[in-house]
Amino acid sequence: AQSVTQPDIHITVSEGASLELRCNYSYGATPYLFWYVQSPGQGLQLLLKYFSGDTLVQGIKGFEAEFKRSQSSFNLRKPSVHWSDAAEYFCAVVDEQGAQKLVFGQGTRLTINP
Amino acid sequence: DVKVTQSSRYLVKRTGEKVFLECVQDMDHENMFWYRQDPGLGLRLIYFSYDVKMKEKGDIPEGYSVSREKKERFSLILESASTNQTSMYLCASSYWNEQFFGPGTRLTVL
Repeated sequence: AQSVTQPDIHITVSEGASLELRCNYSYGATPYLFWYVQSPGQGLQLLLKYFSGDTLVQGIKGFEAEFKRSQSSFNLRKPSVHWSDAAEYFCAVVDEQGAQKLVFGQGTRLTINP
Repeated sequence: DVKVTQSSRYLVKRTGEKVFLECVQDMDHENMFWYRQDPGLGLRLIYFSYDVKMKEKGDIPEGYSVSREKKERFSLILESASTNQTSMYLCASSYWNEQFFGPGTRLTVL
């Protein structure tokens, strides 16, 4: 069965520092990959997605992610975080069984120190 | 912009009550989903629907049922609420594998 692993449950960074959130997946073919962000008490918002093509994907709010097939990874990055980036971040992959289902990682909670 | 709305942001019910959570999307999407979200467990799929009156069980369907009588509306039903169903419930619709989420309903069962 497919799986998505986000190894870091909680990360704390200082405002202005760079950020990298890790995501590893298991998938047989070329995966469709997503990063979502959830602000406290809210639903999930799509940050970016990878379907094919350029392995470096740009998203909203200054985020980017890089697909590395050899490492089965799709890590999320931002060069300089803002206090408003404090949220929970979820990596997801499309389920091979179809029906447009997604398999989600357990999430990484990001705290920003002033 | 796609809009997915959920009938309540917060809901408090008593054990044994029948609970309806409503979800409406305005983009004519075929597929709709219900998840529950619990700390440390991420999002777990309860049920999904790929067309009107069509439904499929997800990973944790026990204790839940769903209804999809119209394309835009997907309802989650707790036939007899229990305290272990206290959770955040998220609805989503999808287009080309991208899912669009509602704001969530935080349900507390006392």
